[in-house]
Amino acid sequence: DTGVSQDPRHKITKRGQNVTFRCDPISEHNRLYWYRQTLGQGPEFLTYFQNEAQLEKSRLLSDRFSAERPKGSFSTLEIQRTEQGDSAMYLCASSPNSDTGELFFGEGSRLTVL
Amino acid sequence: SQQGEEDPQALSIQEGENATMNCSYKTSINNLQWYRQNSGRGLVHLILIRSNEREKHSGRLRVTLDTSKKSSSLLITASRAADTASYFCATDLKTSYDKVIFGPGTSLSVIP
Repeated sequence: DTGVSQDPRHKITKRGQNVTFRCDPISEHNRLYWYRQTLGQGPEFLTYFQNEAQLEKSRLLSDRFSAERPKGSFSTLEIQRTEQGDSAMYLCASSPNSDTGELFFGEGSRLTVL
Repeated sequence: SQQGEEDPQALSIQEGENATMNCSYKTSINNLQWYRQNSGRGLVHLILIRSNEREKHSGRLRVTLDTSKKSSSLLITASRAADTASYFCATDLKTSYDKVIFGPGTSLSVIP
């Protein structure tokens, strides 16, 4: 296991379609984060898991967004009824359950909504 | 709203010069981190400084933290063209489950 893996790397979809992104964290990491990043901006916090428990969810996440982390391993982020404003890079990061605080990021999943 | 704000938004320097980026934040933190991002890629962790530390070094990087002013700076010495990237500060909030919040970043261009 060499790092955080995200799939797909690129997704082009039509407005109104549903999309799902997957993140496989580093295997021994308990914490998993999702961020959204638009061009020229910093990553915006979306949600955070400690094992399988979703501890916090940003107000940026409308009811069209849902994230899961079954069994505390991989995580999925689903966007229903996509809108053009959802176009962004979706970044996943994981972190060990210690006080080091360092996040390990995947390469991201870029979503384009036409 | 974002917790951290970097300054300047963009910085262009000649190779060999030093680059300084600043970060200000709003609420109490456990630690502050700096990350680097090359265009279209994921973020890479550079250095972490805890709230009870004032200065930290790692190779050509020097980070300072002033909790009374709620600010941090990242100094890159003897810059190289390969240092061209965006740099983000990130704060780990004391009030919220190790939630890590990023600033908008500084875009650094190092001209060969």
